[in-house]
Amino acid sequence: AQSVTQLDSQVPVFEEAPVELRCNYSSSVSVYLFWYVQYPNQGLQLLLKYLSGSTLVESINGFEAEFNKSQTSFHLRKPSVHISDTAEYFCAVRTYNTDKLIFGTGTRLQVFP
Amino acid sequence: AAGVIQSPRHLIKEKRETATLKCYPIPRHDTVYWYQQGPGQDPQFLISFYEKMQSDKGSIPDRFSAQQFSDYHSELNMSSLELGDSALYFCASSRGEGYYEQYFGPGTRLTVT
Repeated sequence: AQSVTQLDSQVPVFEEAPVELRCNYSSSVSVYLFWYVQYPNQGLQLLLKYLSGSTLVESINGFEAEFNKSQTSFHLRKPSVHISDTAEYFCAVRTYNTDKLIFGTGTRLQVFP
Repeated sequence: AAGVIQSPRHLIKEKRETATLKCYPIPRHDTVYWYQQGPGQDPQFLISFYEKMQSDKGSIPDRFSAQQFSDYHSELNMSSLELGDSALYFCASSRGEGYYEQYFGPGTRLTVT
């Protein structure tokens, strides 16, 4: 079975500061990894995905995540956050032989001015 | 770009009533997934359909059923509603085999009183 751990339930940062949201996973088979962002009272938006190839993936709004197989991690980073990045961020995994995404418990990123 | 459409967006029902949630996937997406997100929790996979056939099944109660129709839209039917069924219900879609990322709709907020 697979599991996802997001150790930080809340991460407060000031605007323009760097941030890292941690995600670790457990799986006996290869996984596909995703980060989703959920703004208040909205659905989940796909932010990043790692399926294969380069272990460093980037989004259009400045976020990046690096797949580290040896550490079973997929941490999300941004060098300079904005107020508008305030949201809940979910890390998720999926294997090739199942449809379901398994989510972590989420990290609430709160950006202060 | 077109997104996943869910209706209704909000639904209030009483205990023991029934509810039907609808999902219209992104055009050319043939796979639909249903998730349940309780207050302050991560989304939990319920069920999925590929080409109108059930593809995978998660923690869906026996009181719930779902199907996918010939136009690829899907409906989640919920009977004998309980207070604990109050949650946000998400539908997601993907292009099917070989495509692992799932795109989520805005969700239906179900409140059972």
